[in-house]
Amino acid sequence: EVQLVESGGGLVQPGRSLRLSCTASGFTFGDYAMSWVRQAPGKGLEWVGFIRSKAYGGTTEYAASVKGRFTISRDDSKSIAYLQMNSLKTEDTAVYYCTRDRYDILTGDAFDIWGQGTMVTVSS
Amino acid sequence: DIQMTQSPSSLSASVGDRVTITCRASQSISSYLNWYQQKPGKAPKLLIYAASSLQSGVPSRFSGSGSGTDFTLTISSLQPEDFATYYCQQSYSTPVFTFGPGTKVDIK
Repeated sequence: EVQLVESGGGLVQPGRSLRLSCTASGFTFGDYAMSWVRQAPGKGLEWVGFIRSKAYGGTTEYAASVKGRFTISRDDSKSIAYLQMNSLKTEDTAVYYCTRDRYDILTGDAFDIWGQGTMVTVSS
Repeated sequence: DIQMTQSPSSLSASVGDRVTITCRASQSISSYLNWYQQKPGKAPKLLIYAASSLQSGVPSRFSGSGSGTDFTLTISSLQPEDFATYYCQQSYSTPVFTFGPGTKVDIK
C-alpha cells in the first residue's frame, strides 16, 4: 500500500525548533519530489515547501512565509522526508501534511498521496 | 504571485443535484490546475489534475474543465459522501503551488 506517515508534531514554545518526519512506503521514494502543506485550524491549505528528487538535483523551494526558517531534506535510503522548523511563531500553528508530487512533463505537478497530518502547536 | 479565487465559498445542495464550483486564477495558468476534496479531520484527496484529468480511483461523476484563468469542477449527481470542502490549486508557477480558499459543500 502506498502510504505516507508524518510524525514529530507537538506543542512547542515560540522561538523554538521542531523537526517533522514523513516516512514513505509502497513506492520508490527517491523517484518523487515531496512537498509539505499546512492547514491552520479552521483555515485553508497553504503550501510550505518542496524538495525535488535527486534526479532533478534534490533542491528545495519554500513559501515566503517560512523561507529562512524552515528546511526540507530527504534520506532516500530510509524513504523519509524531513521538515526542520526553526524560530517558530504562533502563526505556524497548523496540521502539517506531507505529500507526494506526481509530476509529469505534460500535466505538471499534482499532490497525489497525502499523509494523515501531524499537529504543530506553537504557544507559550 | 498568482492568486486563486473560488466561488461560491459555500453551497448547500441535495443528493442527486448537479454541482458546479468555479476557480479563477489572477493570470493565465494554461491547464495547470488541480482539484482536491477534503473531508473534516481528513487529509485532502486529489480528484482532478491538469484541469480535466480524472485521478485514478475517483468516480466519474467528478469532472473538470477550463484553461487559462477560468476553471470549473462539476459533480454530475451529488452523493452523500461528496459533502466536503473542495480546493483548487495552480501548478503553473512552480514551485510555488497556490491553493484557492476552498468551497464547502453541505447538505441542504
